[in-house]
Amino acid sequence: NAGVTQTPKFRVLKTGQSMTLLCAQDMNHEYMYWYRQDPGMGLRLIHYSVGEGTTAKGEVPDGYNVSRLKKQNFLLGLESAAPSQTSVYFCASSYSSWPYEQYFGPGTRLTVT
Amino acid sequence: AQSVTQPDIHITVSEGASLELRCNYSYGATPYLFWYVQSPGQGLQLLLKYFSGDTLVQGIKGFEAEFKRSQSSFNLRKPSVHWSDAAEYFCAVGAYQGAQKLVFGQGTRLTINP
Repeated sequence: NAGVTQTPKFRVLKTGQSMTLLCAQDMNHEYMYWYRQDPGMGLRLIHYSVGEGTTAKGEVPDGYNVSRLKKQNFLLGLESAAPSQTSVYFCASSYSSWPYEQYFGPGTRLTVT
Repeated sequence: AQSVTQPDIHITVSEGASLELRCNYSYGATPYLFWYVQSPGQGLQLLLKYFSGDTLVQGIKGFEAEFKRSQSSFNLRKPSVHWSDAAEYFCAVGAYQGAQKLVFGQGTRLTINP
C-alpha cells in the first residue's frame, strides 16, 4: 500500500513551457486535491475532484488545469509556466464521507525560470 | 469563509522542554480541526484531529491538542520535545463545501536546541 504518490519529485521549467504532474492513490478514495505551498502562506487549494470524471476550482486555480480520467489518478497541468508558479505542489486524497482527514503525497518541487 | 491563524512563524525550544503551538480559527459552524506535521522535504502527516466530543484529543508521537470554543483556539502541546520533533506544523480547519475543503494556517517552524 503506497498511499499517495507523486511524479516527478523535482522539475525545472522555462517560462512558457508546459508540464503535467501526476498524482496516484491506491486507497480507493473518491476525493482528490491539488495544493501549492509557498513560504509563509501555508497550503492553498488549486483544484479538486469529487470523483472520476469530475473536477472543480479551488482557491487559486488560474494557470492550471486538471483531469481525473481514472479514479486513482489526478493530473495537474501547467500549459504555459510562469515564474509565479514556482512552488511545491502537494496532492492529497480522502474518503467521500465527511469528515475524513486528507492523506498527502510527498510533493513536487517546481522551479520556473 | 473559514480561516486559520498561527501567530508564531518560528519557535525554538530546548530538547526535553514542553511545547505549545498556537492556532486560532474562524468558522461560523462547528469546526473540524486538524494538526499536520511536515518534516523537511516530506509531505504532510496527520498528527491529530478534532471532530466532536472530548475537547482534549490525543495524537501520534505524544502530541495532544485542546479545542476551546470560547477562544476559537486549537493549540497543540507536547510535554517533552525530542530532536526528531523539529519540523513545520500546520493547523487546518475543514468544512464541507461540495467537497472536504481544508484551510491551512501559515505554519509554525519548530527548531529544537540540543
